[in-house]
Amino acid sequence: KAGVTQTPRYLIKTRGQQVTLSCSPISGHRSVSWYQQTPGQGLQFLFEYFSETQRNKGNFPGRFSGRQFSNSRSEMNVSTLELGDSALYLCASSGGLRSRETQYFGPGTRLLVL
Amino acid sequence: QKEVEQDPGPLSVPEGAIVSLNCTYSNSAFQYFMWYRQYSRKGPELLMYTYSSGNKEDGRFTAQVDKSSKYISLFIRDSQPSDSATYLCAMSANSGGSNYKLTFGKGTLLTVNP
Repeated sequence: KAGVTQTPRYLIKTRGQQVTLSCSPISGHRSVSWYQQTPGQGLQFLFEYFSETQRNKGNFPGRFSGRQFSNSRSEMNVSTLELGDSALYLCASSGGLRSRETQYFGPGTRLLVL
Repeated sequence: QKEVEQDPGPLSVPEGAIVSLNCTYSNSAFQYFMWYRQYSRKGPELLMYTYSSGNKEDGRFTAQVDKSSKYISLFIRDSQPSDSATYLCAMSANSGGSNYKLTFGKGTLLTVNP
């Protein structure tokens, strides 16, 4: 079974630009969560999508948004990029329904904002 | 006070040593505890998943949870150079479905020297 895939793997943008990251979950998984990882703050939860609906949200500004498609693939968008948005963005997938579930992570997209 | 505290290290040990990694937490709602391993430039990989207080063993790895002290540990026996990675503790109040999000420690960087 293929794992979680994320594209692109690396991205360089400048302040003020916007960026879209993509995540394809494990086949059959309906929940996709996004996390931001930085050296200073560690891994922080951004949001979770299930069946095309945002089901859970972390404490990030509205510049961070996402969506999920009917095939469970998800995209994350960051508008008006700031230097502090430089990070590794990870997505994780899980079934989304059952208890005692675990989340499986992709390799991440490393974003550098100049 | 952060919800999850984890000593970032770095921790350097000789091959064959027993490694002890720890996290403390403040949110008594946390009931599900995980340990992830993250190699450089990779996404986190699930190592251990525990629910109740006590010990869970899987090969060279033992996870220990003490809910009364809000303290979790991961022990690695007979450590190998291939164990060199960042180890992240993670926890959640829910086990799956809605409101399922992971709260991570910042990670401990472990180096096992041959």
